[in-house]
Amino acid sequence: EDKVVQSPLSLVVHEGDTVTLNCSYEVTNFRSLLWYKQEKKAPTFLFMLTSSGIEKKSGRLSSILDKKELFSILNITATQTGDSAIYLCAVGGKGNEKLTFGTGTRLTIIP
Amino acid sequence: DVKVTQSSRYLVKRTGEKVFLECVQDMDHENMFWYRQDPGLGLRLIYFSYDVKMKEKGDIPEGYSVSREKKERFSLILESASTNQTSMYLCASSSPVLADYEQYFGPGTRLTVT
Repeated sequence: EDKVVQSPLSLVVHEGDTVTLNCSYEVTNFRSLLWYKQEKKAPTFLFMLTSSGIEKKSGRLSSILDKKELFSILNITATQTGDSAIYLCAVGGKGNEKLTFGTGTRLTIIP
Repeated sequence: DVKVTQSSRYLVKRTGEKVFLECVQDMDHENMFWYRQDPGLGLRLIYFSYDVKMKEKGDIPEGYSVSREKKERFSLILESASTNQTSMYLCASSSPVLADYEQYFGPGTRLTVT
């Protein structure tokens, strides 16, 4: 059974701080790991990491995948109040359209 | 842009009622999914569908059924709603022709069963 564990469950930081969110996983025949951001609505896609793309960056957000140690991190630098959200990590296996999600990390940015 | 819509944002039903949650996607995706999201438990898969009239149980199908008569529409049915089905319900779609099966989500339906 595939499994995703995210840590911490919640995090409160001040605006301008840098945060690191963690995601460890167990999956049969790893295909991809995805990060989503969820505010008070639908989760929105951030990054997808695969065997051929283990590092992604977009503005202040970046993510890396360690396939050997089976984890990923999501970094957010110079945090802003708009970064407050639940961050979800999900993994998928080859030949399987399903994704397995972690419980999410609730990030709160204090002005 | 992919658009996934859900019939209601908020819904209040009574115990024992039959509840229908509708999801429609406009990108001709083959795969559709229903999740429920609860604090501390994350997203849990209820049912999914690979194609019209095809369905498979997810991790927590008990108390739910689904219907997919048209490719763009996937319905979740609570045959007899119970208070423990109070939750946020999220629908998603994806396509195997897209790289790595990225899922696109609807806005969610917050269901309260009293």
